[in-house]
Amino acid sequence: NAGVTQTPKFQVLKTGQSMTLQCAQDMNHNSMYWYRQDPGMGLRLIYYSASEGTTDKGEVPNGYNVSRLNKREFSLRLESAAPSQTSVYFCASSGGRDRGEKLFFGSGTQLSVL
Amino acid sequence: GQQVMQIPQYQHVQEGEDFTTYCNSSTTLSNIQWYKQRPGGHPVFLIQLVKSGEVKKQKRLTFQFGEAKKNSSLHITATQTTDVGTYFCATRNSGNTPLVFGKGTRLSVIA
Repeated sequence: NAGVTQTPKFQVLKTGQSMTLQCAQDMNHNSMYWYRQDPGMGLRLIYYSASEGTTDKGEVPNGYNVSRLNKREFSLRLESAAPSQTSVYFCASSGGRDRGEKLFFGSGTQLSVL
Repeated sequence: GQQVMQIPQYQHVQEGEDFTTYCNSSTTLSNIQWYKQRPGGHPVFLIQLVKSGEVKKQKRLTFQFGEAKKNSSLHITATQTTDVGTYFCATRNSGNTPLVFGKGTRLSVIA
């Protein structure tokens, strides 16, 4: 099993450009998440999807949109990138309360916005 | 929402020394999870604690949940270079909400 797969691993954008981060999991998990990690700030939740067809804002949603395309895939879109969005982005999934609550993380996307 | 404070932020130890990181909350926690992130890697789940006063061990790692369920600790005995990384605690505001992470403790081990 691949687990949680994120693409791309690295990306450099210019201010104002747009891009989509892709995430897919093959564990038949109900819930998927997008976190960003900045030095000294820990992991902060951007958006999550508790189940297929639902999405909700997390702690830092401004400047981002998400799509839960199907049960496997959850994408994160930056419509107009800003330098403040330079960060490492992690996608994660979990089975939900009835299947264990631990998170499985992807390997991350390092994004730089110039 | 739920907040968990982790201390210390950084810890440098000599190989063979012990290490402890603490996770504290002003409110009662339903449960707490611990994750480890190696440098350049992604967080990996270590354990979940649910019961008041619970103690769990994984080889050299000992995890504790306080009697009042307001704090937790991770203790590593005789650190090794493989223990290097950042350790995060995480909890939930309520049953169906996503995990909220502490800011982590970065451990460096000097050989």
